Amino acid sequence: GAGVSQSPSNKVTEKGKDVELRCDPISGHTALYWYRQSLGQGLEFLIYFQGNSAPDKSGLPSDRFSAERTGGSVSTLTIQRTQQEDSAVYLCASSRTGGQYETQYFGPGTRLLVL
Amino acid sequence: AQSVSQHNHHVILSEAASLELGCNYSYGGTVNLFWYVQYPGQHLQLLLKYFSGDPLVKGIKGFEAEFIKSKFSFNLRKPSVQWSDTAEYFCAVNDRRDDKIIFGKGTRLHILP
Repeated sequence: GAGVSQSPSNKVTEKGKDVELRCDPISGHTALYWYRQSLGQGLEFLIYFQGNSAPDKSGLPSDRFSAERTGGSVSTLTIQRTQQEDSAVYLCASSRTGGQYETQYFGPGTRLLVL
Repeated sequence: AQSVSQHNHHVILSEAASLELGCNYSYGGTVNLFWYVQYPGQHLQLLLKYFSGDPLVKGIKGFEAEFIKSKFSFNLRKPSVQWSDTAEYFCAVNDRRDDKIIFGKGTRLHILP
């Protein structure tokens, strides 16, 4: 079946603008994760959605970052007033139930460049 | 807080050489351990994982990893690498008290043909 998809694949924006990044998880997967991959920094956890539970936002780096998940499926990560240090690849992953034993399936990522 | 350390940022090997990529984690409680791989132009994907039982875990493509609890380590090994193993490898740890996975900074492996 289809994997995790993300859009856009690339985004170039000017400093101070808002951006929205979209993630479509694998159908039927209840858990959804956002990560940020910066050059030489590995994957940084941002936020985690599991079913109807309140999301775990503990990884969001500032209040300029927010995410929502509508209808338990598609998720949007919003970055307001973008800064150059926000430039990175933003990865989305989903898993069947979100339990600690579940494998995460990653999307291709959105490469964000803030000028 | 948990952290994951991958000792080598960039490794270059010739084909048929043996590989060992180091991974150490900081958390002292019960953990799950993972290695993920990202081949050029492809998505990040699971290589192998350890939850319990035999500390020597076999993964895809001839990779294996050994969990040594006393050393807080989960090193990745392959006895004979191939050019197609060129990729970036990430070690990851999950504290069993929650569902977050903490990733290391990755190791870029380049295999010379």
